[in-house]
Amino acid sequence: AQSVTQLDSHVSVSEGTPVLLRCNYSSSYSPSLFWYVQHPNKGLQLLLKYTSAATLVKGINGFEAEFKKSETSFHLTKPSAHMSDAAEYFCVVSEGGATNKLIFGTGTLLAVQP
Amino acid sequence: NAGVMQNPRHLVRRRGQEARLRCSPMKGHSHVYWYRQLPEEGLKFMVYLQKENIIDESGMPKERFSAEFPKEGPSILRIQQVVRGDSAAYFCASSPNEVSHGYTFGSGTRLTVV
Repeated sequence: AQSVTQLDSHVSVSEGTPVLLRCNYSSSYSPSLFWYVQHPNKGLQLLLKYTSAATLVKGINGFEAEFKKSETSFHLTKPSAHMSDAAEYFCVVSEGGATNKLIFGTGTLLAVQP
Repeated sequence: NAGVMQNPRHLVRRRGQEARLRCSPMKGHSHVYWYRQLPEEGLKFMVYLQKENIIDESGMPKERFSAEFPKEGPSILRIQQVVRGDSAAYFCASSPNEVSHGYTFGSGTRLTVV
């Protein structure tokens, strides 16, 4: 069965410093992986997705993630944090198969300090 | 394209009442997924529907919860005899087909049971 583990429930960075949100996955085959962002009391926005093409995936708002099969990781990074990046971030794996339902991690709450 | 529309945005129900949550998928999307987000948790899959068919309801509680996606009109998630533990954010997502990578999510309905 597919699953994802987000290694940090809370991350705090200063504005202008790099962001690293960690995610490890477990999958019996080549997975489809996603990062979603949720701002307070808002819906979910897709940041980026990996679907077995290039291992370095670029997303919106300057975020990117690298798929590393040897480490079963899909960490999310951004070179320089902005105040508007403060939100909750979810690492997600697609179960595939007939339903293709999504399996969510427990989330990482990113705080950006001025 | 209005995106995935969910209404109401906020819903307050007393214990024992019924809650009806509506989801209008994106134009051209015939696949709908419902997810539930309990406080401080990630999203959990509930049910996957296509027009007039329930494809996978493995995440639905066995009692009081039902979902439909009629030929005409929005998808409805119905919760009968609500209890405090049903308080959560309920998200709907749609895709054009079952193998689409990365759905479009609505803004959610936040149900509060008092």
